[in-house]
Amino acid sequence: AQSVSQHNHHVILSEAASLELGCNYSYGGTVNLFWYVQYPGQHLQLLLKYFSGDPLVKGIKGFEAEFIKSKFSFNLRKPSVQWSDTAEYFCAVNADTGGFKTIFGAGTRLFVKA
Amino acid sequence: NAGVMQNPRHLVRRRGQEARLRCSPMKGHSHVYWYRQLPEEGLKFMVYLQKENIIDESGMPKERFSAEFPKEGPSILRIQQVVRGDSAAYFCASSLPGPGTQYFGPGTRLTVL
Repeated sequence: AQSVSQHNHHVILSEAASLELGCNYSYGGTVNLFWYVQYPGQHLQLLLKYFSGDPLVKGIKGFEAEFIKSKFSFNLRKPSVQWSDTAEYFCAVNADTGGFKTIFGAGTRLFVKA
Repeated sequence: NAGVMQNPRHLVRRRGQEARLRCSPMKGHSHVYWYRQLPEEGLKFMVYLQKENIIDESGMPKERFSAEFPKEGPSILRIQQVVRGDSAAYFCASSLPGPGTQYFGPGTRLTVL
């Protein structure tokens, strides 16, 4: 069965600090990978996705993620965070297992201090 | 192009009542997914439907919960005889067929008194 692990449940950073959120998944086949963000009081929005091709994916708002197949990882990065990045971040995976249901990690709450 | 719409946004029910949550997918999307988000937890997959078919309901509780996506009209998540533990945010997402991106609605926050 697929599963997704996000290593950090809460992260606190100061503005301009660099960010890396870990995400590992377990599934042996071909997967599609996503990072979603949920700003306070809002619904989930897609940050970036990986289906195939260049394993370094660039998303909105300066975020990027790198797919490392050998490590089953898809970590999210941003070189310099802003206060407005305060949100909850979800890593997600789907695969063709007779359907394409998406499995989400438990989420990482990021708080950026101004 | 309207996004995924869910209503109501907030729903309060007393224990034992029924809750009906509605989801209208994005225009052109034929696949709908329901997720539940409990406080301090991530999203848990519940069910995946396409028009008139349930594709995967492995995340649905065996009792009291049901979902449908009729040929016409929105997808409905129905919870019978609600209990306090059903209090959560329920999110719907839609996509095109296949491994596409899922687009999420604003969610319905269910509170069971």
